[in-house]
Amino acid sequence: AQKITQTQPGMFVQEKEAVTLDCTYDTSDPSYGLFWYKQPSSGEMIFLIYQGSYDQQNATEGRYSLNFQKARKSANLVISASQLGDSAMYFCAMRGANAGGTSYGKLTFGQGTILTVHP
Amino acid sequence: GAVVSQHPSRVICKSGTSVKIECRSLDFQATTMFWYRQFPKKSLMLMATSNEGSKATYEQGVEKDKFLINHASLTLSTLTVTSAHPEDSSFYICSARPLDRNTGELFFGEGSRLTVL
Repeated sequence: AQKITQTQPGMFVQEKEAVTLDCTYDTSDPSYGLFWYKQPSSGEMIFLIYQGSYDQQNATEGRYSLNFQKARKSANLVISASQLGDSAMYFCAMRGANAGGTSYGKLTFGQGTILTVHP
Repeated sequence: GAVVSQHPSRVICKSGTSVKIECRSLDFQATTMFWYRQFPKKSLMLMATSNEGSKATYEQGVEKDKFLINHASLTLSTLTVTSAHPEDSSFYICSARPLDRNTGELFFGEGSRLTVL
């Protein structure tokens, strides 16, 4: 079974500052994928960044970077230069490892972290 | 990125009626779509995996007779909430995996907010 844990129900950050959102995971699968999604109040799920378990480098996408520490089973999201529009709920998720099977792509989500960016 | 569209985005219905929510992949084909349910400020909980041309696979605790899923084509899956009650009020969101990609990349619909009176 897979488990994703986000221990920060809410986080506050000043505009233009960096913020780290924590995510730890547990799985017995040797191959897995980790995702971060942003969910604004409108409800849509916006894909931010992806890290494969065998990727050697930490993933980066613009202002988003993923601090992947495999031994610690953590995949923290770092948002640099926060903007007011970054205020939203953020979810860490893990992909099922059954590559090619119908469950491939099934995601297990963490509890989410509500980020508030202050001006 | 690929586009997944859900309809309706909001629906209000009376208790006892059935409501159908559509999930369409607009520019790709998907043999597999996933339906999630989300309560306010809570996580997304997977309800079922919708498989084109075969029966859906439901997660433990999800009533298959209550939440009917049909995956009639490679671009359309529907979720029907039968005999809806106020406790079924929730945000329902689908995701789809493109047929021609093996990275596990998923695309989400905009979600459908159901309110049962």
